[in-house]
Amino acid sequence: KQEVTQIPAALSVPEGENLVLNCSFTDSAIYNLQWFRQDPGKGLTSLLLIQSSQREQTSGRLNASLDKSSGRSTLYIAASQPGDSATYLCAAHPYNQGGKLIFGQGTELSVKP
Amino acid sequence: GAGVSQSPSNKVTEKGKDVELRCDPISGHTALYWYRQRLGQGLEFLIYFQGNSAPDKSGLPSDRFSAERTGESVSTLTIQRTQQEDSAVYLCASSLDITGNTIYFGEGSWLTVV
Repeated sequence: KQEVTQIPAALSVPEGENLVLNCSFTDSAIYNLQWFRQDPGKGLTSLLLIQSSQREQTSGRLNASLDKSSGRSTLYIAASQPGDSATYLCAAHPYNQGGKLIFGQGTELSVKP
Repeated sequence: GAGVSQSPSNKVTEKGKDVELRCDPISGHTALYWYRQRLGQGLEFLIYFQGNSAPDKSGLPSDRFSAERTGESVSTLTIQRTQQEDSAVYLCASSLDITGNTIYFGEGSWLTVV
């Protein structure tokens, strides 16, 4: 059974810092791993999707990596801004569970001006 | 459409009433998903559709919950005889298919049972 864990649960950093959010998963039989952002009272916004055959994806100041052998993914945020404050969720898409995504509990990020 | 659309965005209902939540997926997306998120908690899988079929209903919390999809488009999540523990945001998402494409979420339907 696939389980997804995110560490830390919460993170507070000063503006301008680079930071890394961690995601681990127990079963490497996945189509992909997807990172989302959730603002308070809002739905989820897709940030990056890494297919199982890929090692990383980049979008602007965001870079996500995937290491299937160790069951880990990281989301790197460069030069953080107060507008980056949100909850970041990772989700694994297992082969053997149809369309079901398995979500971590999220990391709540606060970037202080 | 441009994105996943859900309605109503907010619903307050009395305990014991039935509610229907609607989801319009992105046009052309064959896969559609429903998740629930209680206040301060993670996402809880409810059900997904491939076309109009729901191969996995294992996440539905009880027989008071049902969902259908028609025309490989709109989906409705129905909660009968609502209870206070049903209060949550119900999130719908869609993707091209279930084999690993990007999944796009709607803004959610916020349900409060009083």
